[in-house]
Amino acid sequence: AQSVTQPDIHITVSEGASLELRCNYSYGATPYLFWYVQSPGQGLQLLLKYFSGDTLVQGIKGFEAEFKRSQSSFNLRKPSVHWSDAAEYFCAGAGNTDKLIFGTGTRLQVFP
Amino acid sequence: DTAVSQTPKYLVTQMGNDKSIKCEQNLGHDTMYWYKQDSKKFLKIMFSYNNKELIINETVPNRFSPKSPDKAHLNLHINSLELGDSAVYFCASSPWDTYEQYFGPGTRLTVT
Repeated sequence: AQSVTQPDIHITVSEGASLELRCNYSYGATPYLFWYVQSPGQGLQLLLKYFSGDTLVQGIKGFEAEFKRSQSSFNLRKPSVHWSDAAEYFCAGAGNTDKLIFGTGTRLQVFP
Repeated sequence: DTAVSQTPKYLVTQMGNDKSIKCEQNLGHDTMYWYKQDSKKFLKIMFSYNNKELIINETVPNRFSPKSPDKAHLNLHINSLELGDSAVYFCASSPWDTYEQYFGPGTRLTVT
């Protein structure tokens, strides 16, 4: 079955530190992959997407993600985290169905 | 110039009541969705409409009925509300067949 897994429920980093949020997918072929961010009380905002081509994709707010077929991963990274990045992050994937499947989310906490 | 808007933002009601949530998008997208986000932040698709036609109908109780009067609007009507319906409901839209979805701010439904 198609699935998206985010192994980390909660991550804490210090402001200014680097960040990597993990995402693994299970699809028969290369899926479309997305990262969304949800700030408290807000809707989901699209950070970046991967459809095909260059495996390193750049997004908004200084985020990037790398698609690694050999590891079935699409990890989100940021070189230096800001306090305003504290939020819930969702990885999502879509394959040969009409549905976008979301991971369970990773809550990012940023300490000053 | 909000892209995807939902009303109301908060909805508090008693068990057994009937309520509606409205969604409008001004992005010119063909496809609209309803998602339910539970207390653990898990996001699950409920319905999807493409150009007013229902294309995804997940295993949602019959008490939930979506209606799309035109491709810019997708409303959700819920009959005989139950405690378990308490959640945040998100509307989203996307261009046809891209899976790149844009979300509304959410409607927090509380059933007492």
